[in-house]
Amino acid sequence: AQKVTQAQTEISVVEKEDVTLDCVYETRDTTYYLFWYKQPPSGELVFLIRRNSFDEQNEISGRYSWNFQKSTSSFNFTITASQVVDSAVYFCALKGGSQGNLIFGKGTKLSVKP
Amino acid sequence: GAVVSQHPSWVICKSGTSVKIECRSLDFQATTMFWYRQFPKQSLMLMATSNEGSKATYEQGVEKDKFLINHASLTLSTLTVTSAHPEDSSFYICSALGALEGRTFGSGTRLTVV
Repeated sequence: AQKVTQAQTEISVVEKEDVTLDCVYETRDTTYYLFWYKQPPSGELVFLIRRNSFDEQNEISGRYSWNFQKSTSSFNFTITASQVVDSAVYFCALKGGSQGNLIFGKGTKLSVKP
Repeated sequence: GAVVSQHPSWVICKSGTSVKIECRSLDFQATTMFWYRQFPKQSLMLMATSNEGSKATYEQGVEKDKFLINHASLTLSTLTVTSAHPEDSSFYICSALGALEGRTFGSGTRLTVV
């Protein structure tokens, strides 16, 4: 079975703080893909990153960085120097290599206060 | 980049009526489209997967006679909520999968049944 767990339901930080959103996944596929999406209050899903299971290199994109650790089945997302505009619900998602479906975690609501 | 247009953005309808939601891939052909449902403060749950020209595959617990999905062309899929009831009120979001473009989400439709 495939599963994505985002243990943090809500996080509240003050602007300029760093914040890490946790994501733990389960899959029996050897080839799989991991995603992070941002869902602002308007509802649309904004794609942030896709990582395949063979690429464990960490990635940095501006204030965003991702830490992929196969040994712990985790794909954590860090926002550095958070801003109010980062306030949103963030979803981690998994796609097994043999399936087209995305399995979403329950999401973490991030509130960044000025 | 790839764009998926979803209409309407929001709709209010009376109980017992039917509502059609359209999902169009604007600049690519979508061999597969996915329909998700999201209740307030919850994750996205896959309702069904549709491939162009064939019947949709519904997830367990999703009534196929109530949620009619049509994927008549490579750029258009529709979801019709038939005989809507207040419990069908939710946020519906489609996702289109292109051969080269990967997965792109529509902006979602907020359905309120009164």
